[in-house]
Amino acid sequence: ETGVTQTPRHLVMGMTNKKSLKCEQHLGHNAMYWYKQSAKKPLELMFVYNFKEQTENNSVPSRFSPECPNSSHLFLHLHTLQPEDSALYLCASSQGPPGTQYFGPGTRLLVL
Amino acid sequence: AQKVTQAQTEISVVEKEDVTLDCVYETRDTTYYLFWYKQPPSGELVFLIRRNSFDEQNEISGRYSWNFQKSTSSFNFTITASQVVDSAVYFCALTSNTGGFKTIFGAGTRLFVKA
Repeated sequence: ETGVTQTPRHLVMGMTNKKSLKCEQHLGHNAMYWYKQSAKKPLELMFVYNFKEQTENNSVPSRFSPECPNSSHLFLHLHTLQPEDSALYLCASSQGPPGTQYFGPGTRLLVL
Repeated sequence: AQKVTQAQTEISVVEKEDVTLDCVYETRDTTYYLFWYKQPPSGELVFLIRRNSFDEQNEISGRYSWNFQKSTSSFNFTITASQVVDSAVYFCALTSNTGGFKTIFGAGTRLFVKA
């Protein structure tokens, strides 16, 4: 595997479900990011981790819970989501801010 | 405040036409970085170019060229002899010291290239 991978690529969940998104980077970077991309809004930064420490939480609701066990892996745990949380969730990594961010293919999430 | 404005929401051209995508940015920092990304229908953002604020030299890479002008706070992207495969959403982005190097993306320009 090369670059940044994300699983699953597509996810449909009910509002009472709990699911997790996974991101893995194979670039030797030390910073990882979660972004949300909705149909009618610009790309929104959600969380930033630098050397496994969370350095940014962009006022994200607590139903989104990130986890970064090491510099190569990033998770986004989802629970009791709302239909408006349906979006494309993109993961990125960089050699620290302000390094160039390289993105994964995203997870398309639909909340019913 | 930091801001990136891509005023063109959608552009439609015919193959082989040249097209320029505009990007205007705002920042008070003297050190900052500008980026362009391409997002094809598959969804992944593909990195195209990075420029730092101290390097105003224009760049050309194949059919792509970038014009960075600090005087007008613009970082425009031109595709020469466009091809159908260039159809995508293109994002301009800014990273600067303010707010801990948080990256701000523009709203994107959707480019349609018709055969």
